[in-house]
Amino acid sequence: DQQVKQNSPSLSVQEGRISILNCDYTNSMFDYFLWYKKYPAEGPTFLISISSIKDKNEDGRFTVFLNKSAKHLSLHIVPSQPGDSAVYFCAAINQAGTALIFGKGTTLSVSS
Amino acid sequence: DAGVIQSPRHEVTEMGQEVTLRCKPISGHDYLFWYRQTMMRGLELLIYFNNNVPIDDSGMPEDRFSAKMPNASFSTLKIQPSEPRDSAVYFCASSNQGAYQPQHFGDGTRLSIL
Repeated sequence: DQQVKQNSPSLSVQEGRISILNCDYTNSMFDYFLWYKKYPAEGPTFLISISSIKDKNEDGRFTVFLNKSAKHLSLHIVPSQPGDSAVYFCAAINQAGTALIFGKGTTLSVSS
Repeated sequence: DAGVIQSPRHEVTEMGQEVTLRCKPISGHDYLFWYRQTMMRGLELLIYFNNNVPIDDSGMPEDRFSAKMPNASFSTLKIQPSEPRDSAVYFCASSNQGAYQPQHFGDGTRLSIL
């Protein structure tokens, strides 16, 4: 019973184009979401977050959108660069507000 | 500043042996988390500590797993006895003031149980 789902295991995009990574969650009580990026043989690193009181948060080339009614969030990367090739994890803070629940990740490949 | 440091980076051992994974969190962080990553289940939280005290160990798979945090700068995750299904990448992460602050992850320990 996965509470945070990333249904696309992989995504391939050309350099300069937009990358859109999707994430769905099941618990409407979740109120804070984060995206992490992971390179091979390294730990995940924090990328961007969004509170449920917002529907959009932007940081440079990265924008996260939240649709609470659909229990869906997405990460947009514009323009995509080869260095963005990594595994992207979506995470939600659990109902107790104490820990993260991660999706299984989406592997993004950006080709030049 | 030094990040979260985990050791060893790789561990290969035979079934039945005791395995100890080590973590040094970022200085000043009061939360420490242990995660396990597998292909089947992704990144799962095993246990977390606040101010060296275990708060939630509901993710620990069974009694063979134990974790300690004797002081603010060191934590261990122990598996005894180890089994092949314990093979995974184990991550330690730390944060300041809990889950709403970004967690900083170590580079993980890749554990292989033969």
